[in-house]
Amino acid sequence: DTAVSQTPKYLVTQMGNDKSIKCEQNLGHDTMYWYKQDSKKFLKIMFSYNNKELIINETVPNRFSPKSPDKAHLNLHINSLELGDSAVYFCASSPNPGRDSPLHFGNGTRLTVT
Amino acid sequence: GQSLEQPSEVTAVEGAIVQINCTYQTSGFYGLSWYQQHDGGAPTFLSYNALDGLEETGRFSSFLSRSDSYGYLLLQELQMKDSASYFCAVRSGYSTLTFGKGTMLLVSP
Repeated sequence: DTAVSQTPKYLVTQMGNDKSIKCEQNLGHDTMYWYKQDSKKFLKIMFSYNNKELIINETVPNRFSPKSPDKAHLNLHINSLELGDSAVYFCASSPNPGRDSPLHFGNGTRLTVT
Repeated sequence: GQSLEQPSEVTAVEGAIVQINCTYQTSGFYGLSWYQQHDGGAPTFLSYNALDGLEETGRFSSFLSRSDSYGYLLLQELQMKDSASYFCAVRSGYSTLTFGKGTMLLVSP
């Protein structure tokens, strides 16, 4: 009965590879997000989708491409991985994009690029 | 843009009361939120203040002063399990939640 689930939990890969992280939420929320948390624990938004439509695209290299096949899923594909991509990536969802709508986070995917 | 300032670390003992402050600068403001994150875990929502004043939820309370661009999270009757990182976050636009850099709270016996 996990609310927001991401796979895989850990991802270790070499520079230059392409990898994907999957996210699914069963809360019936309309809005989903990808956040990146660096080694200093700084949480930074990358993308936000509302009902499968991209509504936020922060300054993220175009090697990162989100895809939302339906409003319950938001996947993240990363091309040509670099050392600086090593971080924990969190998927989150909220009932709507509104101002008082709390975020529900998945357990994160720890990506290590060697 | 948005910026949030909060202390990097706070220490306290079990049973004590601790206050974690957050000051923010943002071009638009729709509310201040607080999230808790245990080591290796996911951030979890604690509270949201849109209006000035104190919101209480059990042992945790959150305060906002919009005129001072300031808020705090108050944790009472501290327990060891409260050791975690606490993030303030501002919503400054449509769907944009910007987080502070987090305050690590260490609770000792």
